[in-house]
Amino acid sequence: SQTIHQWPATLVQPVGSPLSLECTVEGTSNPNLYWYRQAAGRGLQLLFYSVGIGQISSEVPQNLSASRPQDRQFILSSKKLLLSDSGFYLCARAKIGSTNEQFFGPGTRLTVL
Amino acid sequence: KQEVTQIPAALSVPEGENLVLNCSFTDSAIYNLQWFRQDPGKGLTSLLLIQSSQREQTSGRLNASLDKSSGRSTLYIAASQPGDSATYLCAVGSGGYQKVTFGTGTKLQVIP
Repeated sequence: SQTIHQWPATLVQPVGSPLSLECTVEGTSNPNLYWYRQAAGRGLQLLFYSVGIGQISSEVPQNLSASRPQDRQFILSSKKLLLSDSGFYLCARAKIGSTNEQFFGPGTRLTVL
Repeated sequence: KQEVTQIPAALSVPEGENLVLNCSFTDSAIYNLQWFRQDPGKGLTSLLLIQSSQREQTSGRLNASLDKSSGRSTLYIAASQPGDSATYLCAVGSGGYQKVTFGTGTKLQVIP
């Protein structure tokens, strides 16, 4: 099966602390990977996408960064969290050359205090 | 820049009613459109995917249509059930690298 894991499920962090969210994908090779943020009362905002190892594209200038150290691993990071970074972070994958249908992980709820 | 709008933002219907959710997009140069369901505090579950060359897709009680020229899609839910209560999101694939733009969703409540 093609499964997406996200870790941790929930996280409470103080302002100014670092962040590392992990997404791992099973059952597929060379997927396109995506990070989205869903803030309260707002739609999903695409933050980063990656078409391969070490290849990251940013959609929105912000306090966050992403890395793809392995084919099936996508990491979202921050050096210093802001209050506005609070939200629900979702990792997604799509398979190139197929229907490009997107599949989502269970998400990480981040609260910055 | 692609923009996706969903109307209504919220909908409450009695159990058993048929209903239609609407999605509109500004740029008709899309390669697919996807409907998702999101339960509170959960990730997104893919319901239906319509490729740009298709007019509709069906899965069980769900039917999604696509009219690229008018920039619209509808999700039809037949014989609604309380278990259908969730937020329904429309997402349009367009541009490079399979980027997807989401609408803000329609929150559906089916009353027993």
